[in-house]
Amino acid sequence: LAKTTQPISMDSYEGQEVNITCSHNNIATNDYITWYQQFPSQGPRFIIQGYKTKVTNEVASLFIPADRKSSTLSLPRVSLSDTAVYYCLVGDRGDTGGFKTIFGAGTRLFVKA
Amino acid sequence: ETGVTQTPRHLVMGMTNKKSLKCEQHLGHNAMYWYKQSAKKPLELMFVYSLEERVENNSVPSRFSPECPNSSHLFLHLHTLQPEDSALYLCASSQDTPSGGSYNEQFFGPGTRLTVL
Repeated sequence: LAKTTQPISMDSYEGQEVNITCSHNNIATNDYITWYQQFPSQGPRFIIQGYKTKVTNEVASLFIPADRKSSTLSLPRVSLSDTAVYYCLVGDRGDTGGFKTIFGAGTRLFVKA
Repeated sequence: ETGVTQTPRHLVMGMTNKKSLKCEQHLGHNAMYWYKQSAKKPLELMFVYSLEERVENNSVPSRFSPECPNSSHLFLHLHTLQPEDSALYLCASSQDTPSGGSYNEQFFGPGTRLTVL
């Protein structure tokens, strides 16, 4: 799986939009980009997945530039409950959620009141 | 509620004890996983089972022994653990074969917080 690089931590305030960028310079043609969210003392939870351009769901948006060497997870109007660790994973669509999933250190987001 | 349950949620054991962690998934998935998450460290994949067969074993010490009697249940048997084995142990499941463009999202249980004294 392609190695990913994310900021270790970020702070934000309630109501703000938060953008977390992940670098994956060695992404392969077949690789997808997937983000998970993990609250303290819980298992990670799938947020969103994309291949190129933009993907949006009820939780977040994922922006992927044309070269796909990076991606940005966008959380609109965060609340205190969005405080969590966010993981960016890159791999073959069959692998990213499957057998060889490798979680990096993730980005610890802290939302303040 | 993710459809993956783990018991116990908390476990304290001595280094000479033998205990087991249990995971059950109600999602009809065929692949199950054990992860270890130590304090302030990334998740470490320990074992992967697909259709009750072990397909991945990431150099885990033999004091951790997995068992998958069927596709819905996964156990992690523990014996003669060390204090550094204290961690959150997470179980996850996903659809089976990672092929054909299907996305194998993993569903995680709440974890077992293990403390080894």
